[in-house]
Amino acid sequence: QVQLVQSGAEVRKPGASVKVSCTTSGYIFTRYTISWVRQAPGQGLEWMGWISSFNGNTEYIRKLQDRITLTTDPSTNTAYMELRSLRSDDTAVYYCARGDEGSFDFWGQGSLVTVSS
Amino acid sequence: DIQMTQSPSSVSASVGDRVTITCRASQEISSWFAWYQQKPGKAPRLLIQTTSSLLSGVPSRFSGSGSGTEFTLTISSLQPEDVATYYCQQANSFPWTFGQGTKVEIK
Repeated sequence: QVQLVQSGAEVRKPGASVKVSCTTSGYIFTRYTISWVRQAPGQGLEWMGWISSFNGNTEYIRKLQDRITLTTDPSTNTAYMELRSLRSDDTAVYYCARGDEGSFDFWGQGSLVTVSS
Repeated sequence: DIQMTQSPSSVSASVGDRVTITCRASQEISSWFAWYQQKPGKAPRLLIQTTSSLLSGVPSRFSGSGSGTEFTLTISSLQPEDVATYYCQQANSFPWTFGQGTKVEIK
């Protein structure tokens, strides 16, 4: 069965960086894209970006493109999201999700990132 | 960027009622459109993709329709387990965007 398992909760100070992992199983990794979606406390869903697991091509939302890097490691079927220069409004649950037909059919369990001094 | 506006922002209905949620796009989009259900503390669950294709395992009381700039999610007979927040999402063009969510409650 398809599974996406994310790394655990993180606490960072403002200005620091965080790297969240998403280890997949149950499907051919390079055949699907991975998107990252975040959800601030009590708020809606925000799509952050997308990476092709086949060739590493990426798309990012404009407001994050200077601070975010998405990567994959096909040897371990793992995707990574790194966010730099963290601010308090980056506090959120971060999800990875498998892309299919422009939608997200399987999701990780979420990783809470808290940014606090 | 394509803005997605959902209405209503919340709805309270009785068990067995028909519930309709609308999502309007700021410009015409293709059929790359989806609906998700999210329960508190859980990851979203994909219900419908490409506007009207029901995912395997999703109850048939859920249906999706629409085209152009207006799309709808219908729950034909609301059940207690449908209490959740529902989001629409477009993948017509980058950046992909979600609606702000519609909270569905039981009256």
